[in-house]
Amino acid sequence: AQSVTQLDSQVPVFEEAPVELRCNYSSSVSVYLFWYVQYPNQGLQLLLKYLSGSTLVESINGFEAEFNKSQTSFHLRKPSVHISDTAEYFCAVSFSGGYNKLIFGAGTRLAVHP
Amino acid sequence: EAGVAQSPRYKIIEKRQSVAFWCNPISGHATLYWYQQILGQGPKLLIQFQNNGVVDDSQLPKDRFSAERLKGVDSTLKIQPAKLEDSAVYLCASSFAGGNTGELFFGEGSRLTVL
Repeated sequence: AQSVTQLDSQVPVFEEAPVELRCNYSSSVSVYLFWYVQYPNQGLQLLLKYLSGSTLVESINGFEAEFNKSQTSFHLRKPSVHISDTAEYFCAVSFSGGYNKLIFGAGTRLAVHP
Repeated sequence: EAGVAQSPRYKIIEKRQSVAFWCNPISGHATLYWYQQILGQGPKLLIQFQNNGVVDDSQLPKDRFSAERLKGVDSTLKIQPAKLEDSAVYLCASSFAGGNTGELFFGEGSRLTVL
């Protein structure tokens, strides 16, 4: 069975500092990996995804994540965060033939302070 | 483009009462999902529809939860009777049919409090 572990429930950071949100997964089959973001009072929205090809994927607002198969990880990074990045971030996994069934981690609350 | 619409946004009921949530997906999206998000946890899939057929309901507590998607468009999730542990946010999402791109479009959710 597939599972997702987000190692940090909360990550406080100062504005313009780098940040890494950690995500590990467990699966016996090939997986697809995703990061979703939930801004305050908004619904979940897709931030970035890995389906195949290059193991480094990027979002339009400066986040990136790298698929590491040997370590079963998909950590999310940003070299310099902004106040507007304050949100809850969810790592999710689906699997080939899973027909878009997403399994989510428990989430990491990123709090960016001035 | 209109997003996924859900109602009501908030609902407070007493245990053993019933409640229903409504979802209208993005126009043209054949696949519709209901997720349950308990405080401090990630969303958990309850049921997935493809048009008006059920693709996956393995984690739906069928003794008290039911869902339908008549005509393959909007959907209703019902809980009867509610228990204290049903307190959660119920998220509806939709996506294009087919493939496995992982891009689900979520509504803002319906927050249920069971007293």
